[in-house]
Amino acid sequence: DAGITQSPRYKITETGRQVTLMCHQTWSHSYMFWYRQDLGHGLRLIYYSAAADITDKGEVPDGYVVSRSKTENFPLTLESATRSQTSVYFCASSDGVRKTEAFFGQGTRLTVV
Amino acid sequence: AQKVTQAQTEISVVEKEDVTLDCVYETRDTTYYLFWYKQPPSGELVFLIRRNSFDEQNEISGRYSWNFQKSTSSFNFTITASQVVDSAVYFCALSAYNQGGKLIFGQGTELSVKP
Repeated sequence: DAGITQSPRYKITETGRQVTLMCHQTWSHSYMFWYRQDLGHGLRLIYYSAAADITDKGEVPDGYVVSRSKTENFPLTLESATRSQTSVYFCASSDGVRKTEAFFGQGTRLTVV
Repeated sequence: AQKVTQAQTEISVVEKEDVTLDCVYETRDTTYYLFWYKQPPSGELVFLIRRNSFDEQNEISGRYSWNFQKSTSSFNFTITASQVVDSAVYFCALSAYNQGGKLIFGQGTELSVKP
């Protein structure tokens, strides 16, 4: 189906483990983003990518790693999960040129125990 | 620095009432974009509208209307004749013109529409 999909939808992991959240879009959008949503903080940008092999930090990048080898995929890795990374993670994409609105995936609820 | 403020944390109305959600933004850019997103209880984020900074015309879409005023740095959202299905968290967001849609979000306003 066309759109943007995230996997998994729910994940429970232990402190110190590495975990990767996947994001795939079928629009061929240039820009992709990772946000986290926490009570009291709204949505905050973790990392974004303007094109394949181009990534940049957002507001809260510490503890996260991203890559973008293909335009359609933008995985987010927590190298050593901490409890403070318990959150809902949203991936988004946008055309970035003519239309700058971002379209969001369904979200991944990550719990670090 | 860019900032979006939604001072109303929660609003509760009775069905068929009109309700306005406030959004105030700060930016040094002369060209920028403003957005509204809806997050229903199911959790997804739904794009509602994008407004360019050089277009101050108000917009109406069905029961939804948006009032953009550069002079007061506000981009308010009004729902006319609210319905229970309008219950959601609404986010206002800001993006610089050349940032490809990189969004700065407000804290969100939780709207509860009671029957």
